Amino acid sequence: DAKTTQPPSMDCAEGRAANLPCNHSTISGNEYVYWYRQIHSQGPQYIIHGLKNNETNEMASLIITEDRKSSTLILPHATLRDTAVYYCIVRGGISGGYQKVTFGTGTKLQVIP
Amino acid sequence: EAQVTQNPRYLITVTGKKLTVTCSQNMNHEYMSWYRQDPGLGLRQIYYSMNVEVTDKGDVPEGYKVSRKEKRNFPLILESPSPNQTSLYFCASRPTGTSGYEQYFGPGTRLTVT
Repeated sequence: DAKTTQPPSMDCAEGRAANLPCNHSTISGNEYVYWYRQIHSQGPQYIIHGLKNNETNEMASLIITEDRKSSTLILPHATLRDTAVYYCIVRGGISGGYQKVTFGTGTKLQVIP
Repeated sequence: EAQVTQNPRYLITVTGKKLTVTCSQNMNHEYMSWYRQDPGLGLRQIYYSMNVEVTDKGDVPEGYKVSRKEKRNFPLILESPSPNQTSLYFCASRPTGTSGYEQYFGPGTRLTVT
């Protein structure tokens, strides 16, 4: 499985853009990058995913570098409700037919009033 | 409403007493999975299932069993729980395919083994 590395914590001022980085230098060519978030101890919530092109939806934007070794999740106007742990994951490895999933410890984003 | 449900939500039990945590989804998803979450360790996958009667180990399968006899249900079985299985457990499901990896998570089950 490709592993991901994220900073353990970040702060962001309310109303500003939050940029959350993720390193996945061992990602394989057919592996997607996915982002989830977990608010307090609720079940994680899907945010966005991408393969190599940048992606945008109503929640966030995903920027993937050309070499695909890293990516950035952008919350354009962070609110207090965006305070959560954000997980960057890549699709599972060969074992189990690419269906095994590895979550890391994520980045705890604190949005400050 | 499309959802993943887990029962019970909270459980306190004693070492060695067999227990089952149920998971059910109403979205006709093929893929289902169990995770445990512990402080400082993030989410770790226990078992997953690609479809009925097809299950495979995740990263931390020791001490757990699963079964997938029906598409909608994926129970997690602890035959002889131990205190190190005290954790927050999440069930998740999603459709299979080459992309579209959005997993839907249940609300969690907080288990305490004394």
